[in-house]
Amino acid sequence: QKEVEQDPGPLSVPEGAIVSLNCTYSNSAFQYFMWYRQYSRKGPELLMYTYSSGNKEDGRFTAQVDKSSKYISLFIRDSQPSDSATYLCAMNNAGNMLTFGGGTRLMVKP
Amino acid sequence: GAVVSQHPSRVICKSGTSVKIECRSLDFQATTMFWYRQFPKQSLMLMATSNEGSKATYEQGVEKDKFLINHASLTLSTLTVTSAHPEDSSFYICSASGGAHEQYFGPGTRLTVT
Repeated sequence: QKEVEQDPGPLSVPEGAIVSLNCTYSNSAFQYFMWYRQYSRKGPELLMYTYSSGNKEDGRFTAQVDKSSKYISLFIRDSQPSDSATYLCAMNNAGNMLTFGGGTRLMVKP
Repeated sequence: GAVVSQHPSRVICKSGTSVKIECRSLDFQATTMFWYRQFPKQSLMLMATSNEGSKATYEQGVEKDKFLINHASLTLSTLTVTSAHPEDSSFYICSASGGAHEQYFGPGTRLTVT
């Protein structure tokens, strides 16, 4: 079993839809949670960074962490075709080594 | 802020030659830099971690003599693929951390070995 599980998709939604991306993890020591967006043939871009449980909002993006369930989510409101990319969750407990999920490919169709 | 550059963005080389890829943190000091490899439609595979002024720590299965990593300053790390072969063709991505928990990634380098 992988330490971080993420549905690879692809997830296809119409423009304007609310998108929910999720990861589950097994290591209860993880405290820092990140979401990265990666366009094809580009490096990942840090979207959201949260510590411990709770919600964090930034524009159309909301990151949610539920440590009791070992489950994190990224919500994208009013999705746009430009949101089409692969979304990677990542997490760690100490230091700066990250454990990544496998990534979910999102396609937003106009 | 937190910009990481990589050079070159794309390189084609002949089998048997060596290729050097540079990774720079442009607006912060990177105490740690990471090198990843990514195959099409797959997630990132960590190759090695380097701290400024120290030898790199390589992941299991990564040949340290083939993938030479140098982290000579707080803003520059280099990856040299020595005696490259077609199976080394891949997308190489560096990332940098300034001491906090997150990593900032470069745009990647696509290496093609003919």
